Amino acid sequence: QSVLTQPPSVSGAPGQRVIISCTGSSTNIGAGYDVHWYQQIPGTAPKVLIFGNTNRPSGVPDRFSGSKSGTSASLAITGLQAEDEADYYCQSYDSSLSVWVFGGGTRLTVL
Amino acid sequence: QLQLQESGSGLVKPSQTLSLTCAVSGGSISSGGYSWSWIRQTPGKGLEWLAYFYHGGSTYSNPSLKSRVTISEDTSKNQFSLRLTSVTAADTAVYYCARAGGNVTSNNWFDPWGQGTLVTVSS
Repeated sequence: QSVLTQPPSVSGAPGQRVIISCTGSSTNIGAGYDVHWYQQIPGTAPKVLIFGNTNRPSGVPDRFSGSKSGTSASLAITGLQAEDEADYYCQSYDSSLSVWVFGGGTRLTVL
Repeated sequence: QLQLQESGSGLVKPSQTLSLTCAVSGGSISSGGYSWSWIRQTPGKGLEWLAYFYHGGSTYSNPSLKSRVTISEDTSKNQFSLRLTSVTAADTAVYYCARAGGNVTSNNWFDPWGQGTLVTVSS
């Protein structure tokens, strides 16, 4: 059971918009710690997609955006493309456990 | 471009010690402002942060590992290492090394990551 909760899977057709949620608690996201998002293509290492809740590293398309409110955060992907099919993970810090924590991951399927 | 590459034993017997090294190229582990971490991934537990260090400074490991983990640096070789003692089958995972950045340690994110190395614990 991950400290940060994500839906196991989401799907959408090419061109559509999907949102992946990441739900935490008062000791992590709700305490004000930043949320970061990673994309992992199966068989490869995770790659940062969003850092500091809303910031995109250079090279990441603006189709990807992040937001945070209360004890939750979300990753939105617009204009879905086949290449977006991957696993997505959120990450934050938990003050109760004193560790960085990850969500359980969400598998995105492009129909 | 900063690159990290893990290496080490791919098969470890139960109760023995897992040892991995992360070679860093395109940058120095002595650079200020960054910490360096080990993270593992299993199908069952997902991604789990294990330990980090700042060059010449503090180290910290995940309390859940109950002091089994040690992280250390070798600046002469620009690499850092992980040792995990008394391993069990539950330690079977893909192990990644990564650099962490950000102004505040608790708000750090991991970028880049090494390609990962599979370690299997089995007799």
